[in-house]
Amino acid sequence: SQTIHQWPATLVQPVGSPLSLECTVEGTSNPNLYWYRQAAGRGLQLLFYSVGIGQISSEVPQNLSASRPQDRQFILSSKKLLLSDSGFYLCAWSGDLQETQYFGPGTRLLVL
Amino acid sequence: ELKVEQNPLFLSMQEGKNYTIYCNYSTTSDRLYWYRQDPGKSLESLFVLLSNGAVKQEGRLMASLDTKARLSTLHITAAVHDLSATYFCAVVVRGSNYKLTFGKGTLLTVNP
Repeated sequence: SQTIHQWPATLVQPVGSPLSLECTVEGTSNPNLYWYRQAAGRGLQLLFYSVGIGQISSEVPQNLSASRPQDRQFILSSKKLLLSDSGFYLCAWSGDLQETQYFGPGTRLLVL
Repeated sequence: ELKVEQNPLFLSMQEGKNYTIYCNYSTTSDRLYWYRQDPGKSLESLFVLLSNGAVKQEGRLMASLDTKARLSTLHITAAVHDLSATYFCAVVVRGSNYKLTFGKGTLLTVNP
């Protein structure tokens, strides 16, 4: 069966510091991968999605970037964090763009 | 721009009662998903509805889709405390590369 991992689970970072969040999927090949952010008390916002290695589509212009160095690895990065980057970051995968997206456990980021 | 509206946003109900959560969306959609989120946790897929008139049921939850009215409902039958969670609907817009747009969520609290 497929599983999706995210780390770290929780992160507290100062404003202006860099960020790297990692997501990996097991048990499937060539998954579609997604990064979402959930701000406190709000719905989910799609940040990036990827249909293959090195292929990244950005949904919202911001100081975040994403990379997919391997088939089942998706990384969310920032060079300088802002206070507004605080939130719950969720990685998701699907077997096909038309299929249900399954979410990882999430990373809770607090920028101080 | 696609808008997805859920109501109510907050729902407090007694065990044993029935209630319905509504999800309206503003443009033609290919499919609609319902997810559940427990406090501090990730999202769990509940249902995917693919066509007009589709109905899915799992335990005390039943979801339906009316594409002509651009409306989905999540009906709760004889609520139990374990159903307490936030429920999200998410809509895929035709031609959007299957991007999910989420509603703000309905926080359901089932009281003994």
